[in-house]
Amino acid sequence: DVKVTQSSRYLVKRTGEKVFLECVQDMDHENMFWYRQDPGLGLRLIYFSYDVKMKEKGDIPEGYSVSREKKERFSLILESASTNQTSMYLCASSQGGLRQETQYFGPGTRLLVL
Amino acid sequence: GQQLNQSPQSMFIQEGEDVSMNCTSSSIFNTWLWYKQDPGEGPVLLIALYKAGELTSNGRLTAQFGITRKDSFLNISASIPSDVGIYFCAGHPTGTASKLTFGTGTRLQVTL
Repeated sequence: DVKVTQSSRYLVKRTGEKVFLECVQDMDHENMFWYRQDPGLGLRLIYFSYDVKMKEKGDIPEGYSVSREKKERFSLILESASTNQTSMYLCASSQGGLRQETQYFGPGTRLLVL
Repeated sequence: GQQLNQSPQSMFIQEGEDVSMNCTSSSIFNTWLWYKQDPGEGPVLLIALYKAGELTSNGRLTAQFGITRKDSFLNISASIPSDVGIYFCAGHPTGTASKLTFGTGTRLQVTL
């Protein structure tokens, strides 16, 4: 079974704080993704990565950065958290290649920025 | 980014009833995926479809990859209370390797 884990289920941070969200997958997947999910807006792609040290902007990268130093780990960084970044954050991974593009999601991190 | 048209938006059904939902797109898709999300949890993959016309079952769930490659259907037979949740379709449009396009979700409520 594919397993994607996220470091925290719930986080409460203050405006201006630097926030790290960690994601780890145990299936040697090439691709990893960060989404945020908000009511009425669905899942929106923030950043993704095809390989170690590679990253690509998704649809809403502003205010976020990412780091992929190891294949199994993909970190999302909020340099200076703001209240409009309160959301559910979902990490996903996929193997790569046509039949291996299926994405598997982690349990999510619910972030509240005060 | 693009979103898929998923319908219905919500359904209230009685336990034991069958459920149907679908997703449509204006462009051709290479894969169709169906996920279920429980409150406060991440989406869990239910069924993956890779070929036009493909019909795949997973227990009481059956999904089909439309022949035109622009739509997909999910059916749930004999619904039970634990089927409650939000069901998302997702897929890869032709030429967009790796990135998924998501449906807007169908919220399913099951009453006893």
